[in-house]
Amino acid sequence: QKEVEQNSGPLSVPEGAIASLNCTYSDRGSQSFFWYRQYSGKSPELIMFIYSNGDKEDGRFTAQLNKASQYVSLLIRDSQPSDSATYLCAAQTDSWGKLQFGAGTQVVVTP
Amino acid sequence: EPEVTQTPSHQVTQMGQEVILRCVPISNHLYFYWYRQILGQKVEFLVSFYNNEISEKSEIFDDQFSVERPDGSNFTLKIRSTKLEDSAMYFCASKAPGGATYEQYFGPGTRLTVT
Repeated sequence: QKEVEQNSGPLSVPEGAIASLNCTYSDRGSQSFFWYRQYSGKSPELIMFIYSNGDKEDGRFTAQLNKASQYVSLLIRDSQPSDSATYLCAAQTDSWGKLQFGAGTQVVVTP
Repeated sequence: EPEVTQTPSHQVTQMGQEVILRCVPISNHLYFYWYRQILGQKVEFLVSFYNNEISEKSEIFDDQFSVERPDGSNFTLKIRSTKLEDSAMYFCASKAPGGATYEQYFGPGTRLTVT
């Protein structure tokens, strides 16, 4: 069974601090990895994607990928109350683009 | 900014009825998807569609489900003989051509309630 695993949280983060989210995947054939943000009752909103080992930065967000360890992470710097949401990690497992999602990590940013 | 749209936003139907969920993908995208999310659970892949045919489907996507691109803009998911357990949010997504590195954009979803 191919799985994407995330800690469910909630992850409580003081405003202005760094939130660190982790994700592991079981399918070594996974090609690209995506982080989506999902507010309650809303659809997933793409934050960023990564497909090469190493770090990728986009504004306050940094994604990290380690294919040898089958590990993906997301750092949110200078966390804001508006960052409070569930963060979904997804692995693209084939060339058609099928995404396999983790259950998500709930982040709560406290003022 | 282009976006994926879905109608209706909420559909209530009785068990055993057929429903059609509609999506308008982003105009230059060629890959289309349906996912569902049962309340409190993870987002699950249902089906991918490319070049007017299904490219992949999950175990969930059985004979009860079908997809169609009836014209150049709409992409539909039909659920026949709905069951209580079909109650979920259904998300349409689309992706530009160009291989595995292009991201999928999700529509706002249709909340299906089967009573």
